[in-house]
Amino acid sequence: RKEVEQDPGPFNVPEGATVAFNCTYSNSASQSFFWYRQDCRKEPKLLMSVYSSGNEDGRFTAQLNRASQYISLLIRDSKLSDSATYLCVVAVSGTYKYIFGTGTRLKVLA
Amino acid sequence: DVKVTQSSRYLVKRTGEKVFLECVQDMDHENMFWYRQDPGLGLRLIYFSYDVKMKEKGDIPEGYSVSREKKERFSLILESASTNQTSMYLCASSGDPAPYEQYFGPGTRLTVT
Repeated sequence: RKEVEQDPGPFNVPEGATVAFNCTYSNSASQSFFWYRQDCRKEPKLLMSVYSSGNEDGRFTAQLNRASQYISLLIRDSKLSDSATYLCVVAVSGTYKYIFGTGTRLKVLA
Repeated sequence: DVKVTQSSRYLVKRTGEKVFLECVQDMDHENMFWYRQDPGLGLRLIYFSYDVKMKEKGDIPEGYSVSREKKERFSLILESASTNQTSMYLCASSGDPAPYEQYFGPGTRLTVT
């Protein structure tokens, strides 16, 4: 079993739709959680950190469920420019170890 | 804004050549990382450094070495390039306390022929 698992997609959604991605992790010592966005042939860019209480940044909402060991990303009112691959990253407490999911691909269609 | 730069965006080298990839960050971050990214495999950690002259092996260090002589600079060296090292190489940096958010450079797409 992979340490961090994501549905690879692609998720094809129309503009204006709401879309949600989940990411499951297996290491219960995981402490820090992040969502990154990666455009084709570019570097990952930090989208948001995920806090225990959940957090929101504009159209993006991230949630953490420690009991079930998953994090989620919700995108509301999807834009064409949201088309990208979304990487889930889990970092283990007290270490320099960051574990990357292989990403979920989103295509927003006009 | 954090800025991480890498010496080359694209590089083509021959089998057996020694290859140097350089990464520079301007945020005074303690921690720097080298990853490679391959389709279907995600990002895999090659080496990281948590201080000047300090380095730790990641998950796939074979065939690579690193150097960190200054805080802002972290170099990845392919001692004798092989075709299976054709990949996208990404450098990242992060502050303390670990684990903190990582910031990535633009990547170097290396092709070994």
